[in-house]
This record gives sequence, C-alpha cells and structure tokens, in this order.
Amino acid sequence: AQSVSQHNHHVILSEAASLELGCNYSYGGTVNLFWYVQYPGQHLQLLLKYFSGDPLVKGIKGFEAEFIKSKFSFNLRKPSVQWSDTAEYFCAVIPPHNNNDMRFGAGTRLTVKP
Amino acid sequence: DTEVTQTPKHLVMGMTNKKSLKCEQHMGHRAMYWYKQKAKKPPELMFVYSYEKLSINESVPSRFSPECPNSSLLNLHLHALQPEDSALYLCASRIPGGVNTEAFFGQGTRLTVV
Repeated sequence: AQSVSQHNHHVILSEAASLELGCNYSYGGTVNLFWYVQYPGQHLQLLLKYFSGDPLVKGIKGFEAEFIKSKFSFNLRKPSVQWSDTAEYFCAVIPPHNNNDMRFGAGTRLTVKP
Repeated sequence: DTEVTQTPKHLVMGMTNKKSLKCEQHMGHRAMYWYKQKAKKPPELMFVYSYEKLSINESVPSRFSPECPNSSLLNLHLHALQPEDSALYLCASRIPGGVNTEAFFGQGTRLTVV
C-alpha cells in the first residue's frame, strides 16, 4: 500500500548533537510533504512544509528538511538540538490522487538529554 | 485566529452512552478532519469533509457518525463504543484541495470508554 514511513522509532541525543530523522513516501507524482511536532501534552504543530521549488526547506526553531525526489525522501535535520526539542515528530504527506487526504508516518520520539 | 477548538477536552463514557465531540474553527477552512490517535501512535485518518460534504471515510465503524452542520463546525457522534475506542480524537482544518497548505490541529478530546 502507498504510504509514508519513518524508520527511526526512538532517537536519544545529547544537547548540541546534530539530528536527522528519516521520512520516505511511496507515492508517485507530485506530493505535498510536511513535518509536524507534538510536544508532550500539546497539539500537533507544523515545523515546515514542501510542495515545489527549492528542495531545502527551512522551518521554525532551526529545523530544515531536504526533499530528494529520486529517493522519495524528506528528511528532517537540525544542526544542534536542545533539551526543549524533546517531542514526537511526524512526517505527513498529501498524496497526488486526493488533495484532501493527509497521512502520517508512524512518528519518531526524540529524547534530548541535558 | 489560527485556532481549532475542540470540546470537551476529556470525556468518559459507558458503552451504552451516546455522546458527541465538537470542533470549531473560524479560519474559513472548508476542509475538516477527524483523526484518532492511540498512545505512542500516529494520527489515523477517520473522516474528511470538504465543503460540508463527506469526502473521505476510512471504513470507520458506524458507531462513529460524523456531521458537518456548517463551514465552521464539525461533530463526531458516538454511540455504543467499545473500550478499544479509547483514544485521543483530533480535529483539523485546512484549505480544501489547497496546494502547499497545512492542516491546523486542535488539542484533541481524550476519550475513555468504560
């Protein structure tokens, strides 16, 4: 089945370490891609999004993501994480066949140790 | 105003009860979503309304009945639920069919079925 997948289930880093979380999708054609963050007890918030243009997208809180079409990937990066980045991170995709559809990957739990 | 408001925040109901979850937004978004999120899992799409018409129904059991009475409101009517239906129910809104437009999420209703 067509889907979006996140291979890292739980990532543990120390403060100031660099972060890269993987996201792959299996839809052909043009897709809309997003990264959302869910802090403990809070609602889902958008970090960044991509549809077209520059494949390197900058978001809030120092996050960025790179769209690599040939790899069907949209990995999230941050050069130096902080304790406050501890949260659940979800990749989401709007597939080409239905612009109202929005699917989430399994999520990656990030724990940043002070 | 970029808020999606969900009420109630918490709900405990018996398996024979009938209850409703409510969602409201005033961003002029004409696509509204219900997701179900179990602990440590991603949001799972349940229903999508576009211009007040049901656009996507992910084969959700009939004990969940969505309703979109107008462009600002979305309800989820619950009847004869099972304990395994206990979860966080998330509402989201978005510009329907919009390219590169994200979904805005509410805080969710934490539902416990006893």
